[in-house]
Amino acid sequence: GAGVSQSPSNKVTEKGKDVELRCDPISGHTALYWYRQSLGQGLEFLIYFQGNSAPDKSGLPSDRFSAERTGGSVSTLTIQRTQQEDSAVYLCASTLIPGQGSYEQYFGPGTRLTVT
Amino acid sequence: GDSVTQMEGPVTLSEEACLTINCTYTATGYPSLFWYVQYPGEGLQLLLKATKADDKGSNKGFEATYRKETTSFHLEKGSVQVSDSAVYFCALSDLYNFNKFYFGSGTKLNVKP
Repeated sequence: GAGVSQSPSNKVTEKGKDVELRCDPISGHTALYWYRQSLGQGLEFLIYFQGNSAPDKSGLPSDRFSAERTGGSVSTLTIQRTQQEDSAVYLCASTLIPGQGSYEQYFGPGTRLTVT
Repeated sequence: GDSVTQMEGPVTLSEEACLTINCTYTATGYPSLFWYVQYPGEGLQLLLKATKADDKGSNKGFEATYRKETTSFHLEKGSVQVSDSAVYFCALSDLYNFNKFYFGSGTKLNVKP
């Protein structure tokens, strides 16, 4: 079946502009995660959605970052007033049912954001 | 809190050499352990996993054993190929705190023909 998809695959924006990154999780997956991967670095957790519960926003680096998940499916990560340090690959992942046995995250291909 | 530490790279090997990438973890609960692989230009994909102590995960010739006594989950392969060149991430998740996955910083493997 279809995997996790993300769009756009690449985004170049000017400093100060707002950007929106989109994630389509695997159908039926209840949990969705956003991560940031800076050049040569590991994955930095940003935000987690599970069903209708309040999202875990503890990883968002500043109030310029926000995310929403509509209808329990598609998610949008918004970065306002982008800065050069926001340049990174933004990864989305989804999971079937967290807490149910051994589960793993399925990752999308990522969106490479470059702020000039 | 929970965390994962893995050896820094890059690791450069010749084809058919043995590979070990060290991974140790700290966890307060009952973690499941994972190795993810990221091939050049691609997203992360699960390589193998283990859910309890002494479990061995294996896939594509790679193996890792969940060692609770040493809090380790080292990745091993007896004979690497050029196609194994990628970045490898060790990760853990806690059954009772499943909204968080903790990833290591990644280890880049370069395999030369």
